[in-house]
Amino acid sequence: AQKITQTQPGMFVQEKEAVTLDCTYDTSDQSYGLFWYKQPSSGEMIFLIYQGSYDEQNATEGRYSLNFQKARKSANLVISASQLGDSAMYFCAMREALYITGGGNKLTFGTGTQLKVEL
Amino acid sequence: GAVVSQHPSWVICKSGTSVKIECRSLDFQATTMFWYRQFPKQSLMLMATSNEGSKATYEQGVEKDKFLINHASLTLSTLTVTSAHPEDSSFYICSARALLGQETQYFGPGTRLLVL
Repeated sequence: AQKITQTQPGMFVQEKEAVTLDCTYDTSDQSYGLFWYKQPSSGEMIFLIYQGSYDEQNATEGRYSLNFQKARKSANLVISASQLGDSAMYFCAMREALYITGGGNKLTFGTGTQLKVEL
Repeated sequence: GAVVSQHPSWVICKSGTSVKIECRSLDFQATTMFWYRQFPKQSLMLMATSNEGSKATYEQGVEKDKFLINHASLTLSTLTVTSAHPEDSSFYICSARALLGQETQYFGPGTRLLVL
């Protein structure tokens, strides 16, 4: 089974509108972390937001918020007030076995969602 | 803060040559650095995990003699693609995880390798 699933290969949104990018995950660990990264056409991976499995509040960073629904194993990214510069590929990622010494450091990435912001 | 650099950003080489890519954490010490490979329009695939002062841990299917990784200090890791072939052409990107407390991996800008 895929550990990280992003079902939307591409999304369009109009400037100034909000958009939700879906991410579901699969893990049997109790402690894990969920990340969203943005990759513009230049290729760099830009960290956007992080949610720990024990965090009770949904993470927010400026225009980015993470809609964390633990029981449903989903970690959707919400971008409010979209801007043209938000056009990029967005990756959801998970790190399992947090807080365990020597535990897995690896990030597992989803296949990404290409977001296009239109005027 | 949390800046990771990679050098070179672009490299074109002839088949059979070796290419070294450097990954540096500029403003923090990184206990662990990661090397990924990304094909066009695909996700990142982890190649190996390196911890300072110890041997890298390679993912299944990644040839350790082909992709040599050295993590000489808390701020520098290098990936050497030995005897490069056209199928090694790809986008290679490193990330670094900070020494204490941080769960986030910060990525370098990537290196585009083209082997002719």
